[in-house]
Amino acid sequence: AQTVTQSQPEMSVQEAETVTLSCTYDTSESDYYLFWYKQPPSRQMILVIRQEAYKQQNATENRFSVNFQKAAKSFSLKISDSQLGDAAMYFCAYRSPSHLTGTASKLTFGTGTRLQVTL
Amino acid sequence: EAGVAQSPRYKIIEKRQSVAFWCNPISGHATLYWYQQILGQGPKLLIQFQNNGVVDDSQLPKDRFSAERLKGVDSTLKIQPAKLEDSAVYLCASSFTQGGYYNEQFFGPGTRLTVL
Repeated sequence: AQTVTQSQPEMSVQEAETVTLSCTYDTSESDYYLFWYKQPPSRQMILVIRQEAYKQQNATENRFSVNFQKAAKSFSLKISDSQLGDAAMYFCAYRSPSHLTGTASKLTFGTGTRLQVTL
Repeated sequence: EAGVAQSPRYKIIEKRQSVAFWCNPISGHATLYWYQQILGQGPKLLIQFQNNGVVDDSQLPKDRFSAERLKGVDSTLKIQPAKLEDSAVYLCASSFTQGGYYNEQFFGPGTRLTVL
């Protein structure tokens, strides 16, 4: 079974600064998908960024980018130019590709990192 | 486009009582998921539906939890009888289909259950 570990329960960053959230995972699969989700207080969880294991290039979405190290099984999220609206719980998640799981497509989540953004 | 709707948003019950949660996925989404998020933990999949059929219910405590999606659209999740450890946020999510790199799961706001 796959596991996802987020070792930073809380992080804090000043507005306009850069912060990196860590995530490691354990799997025996060679192909898989990784995701970062954002869960603002009392609001829906939304997808921030995704990465396919076979793609060597790190994904980037505006101010969000990842550092994907497949051999180290590490998938960190970098938030540049942090904004007050970035304050939320961030979850790292893993999903096996359908050609391995058949029809199942569950996400396996880490325990989350609470990000605070200060002025 | 309307998002995933869930009701109620909050529910407080006594242990051994029963409770039901409702989810309306995004229109056209064939796949529906129920996740349980206990405080301090990440969400854990309870059950996945493809249309009105169950794809994965391996982590659903079937002695007390049940779920259905009779017409392949709305879904209900029921707990009977509830235990203290069932206190959690219950998240519903939907996706256009299952699998696939670009197949994004969209989450609802969740139902926060407190069992006293």
